[in-house]
Amino acid sequence: AQSVTQPDIHITVSEGASLELRCNYSYGATPYLFWYVQSPGQGLQLLLKYFSGDTLVQGIKGFEAEFKRSQSSFNLRKPSVHWSDAAEYFCAVVSNTGGFKTIFGAGTRLFVKA
Amino acid sequence: GAGVSQSPSNKVTEKGKDVELRCDPISGHTALYWYRQSLGQGLEFLIYFQGNSAPDKSGLPSDRFSAERTGGSVSTLTIQRTQQEDSAVYLCASSLAPTSGNNEQFFGPGTRLTVL
Repeated sequence: AQSVTQPDIHITVSEGASLELRCNYSYGATPYLFWYVQSPGQGLQLLLKYFSGDTLVQGIKGFEAEFKRSQSSFNLRKPSVHWSDAAEYFCAVVSNTGGFKTIFGAGTRLFVKA
Repeated sequence: GAGVSQSPSNKVTEKGKDVELRCDPISGHTALYWYRQSLGQGLEFLIYFQGNSAPDKSGLPSDRFSAERTGGSVSTLTIQRTQQEDSAVYLCASSLAPTSGNNEQFFGPGTRLTVL
């Protein structure tokens, strides 16, 4: 069965520092991968997605993610974190069995310190 | 509409009562999803509707939970005989027909359910 693992429940980084949030998936074929962000008091918003092609994808708010098939990973990165990036981040994979159901990871909460 | 809307935004109920949560998807979106997010937890898939196909109910936690989607648009999630463990934020999302997996989901603001 498909699954998504986000190993870090929470991460704290200093403002201006770089960020990497980990995501590993279990899937038999080429997956469709997504990162969503949930800011405090707001709904979930898509940051970026990978379907095929270039394995390094760019998203909104300066985020990027790299698909590495050999490691079954789709880690999210940002070179310089801003205080407004404090939020919860969810990695997701689309399953093409049973009608393209989306499976979400448990999320990683990002704290940004001044 | 401009986005996915959900009502009510907050619902407080007593244990044992039934509740109905409503979701209005984005016009033209044929896929609709319900998730539950408990405090400090990730998104738990509940149910998925796509067009006229039979819904995927594999995530519903018990037979107290049911959902319907009338006319391929508005959806209602019903929880019967609510329990305290049902307290959570219930999120609805919609997307275009996911014929290829290209189904970016657009989320509503959620309904916060509190069962006393």
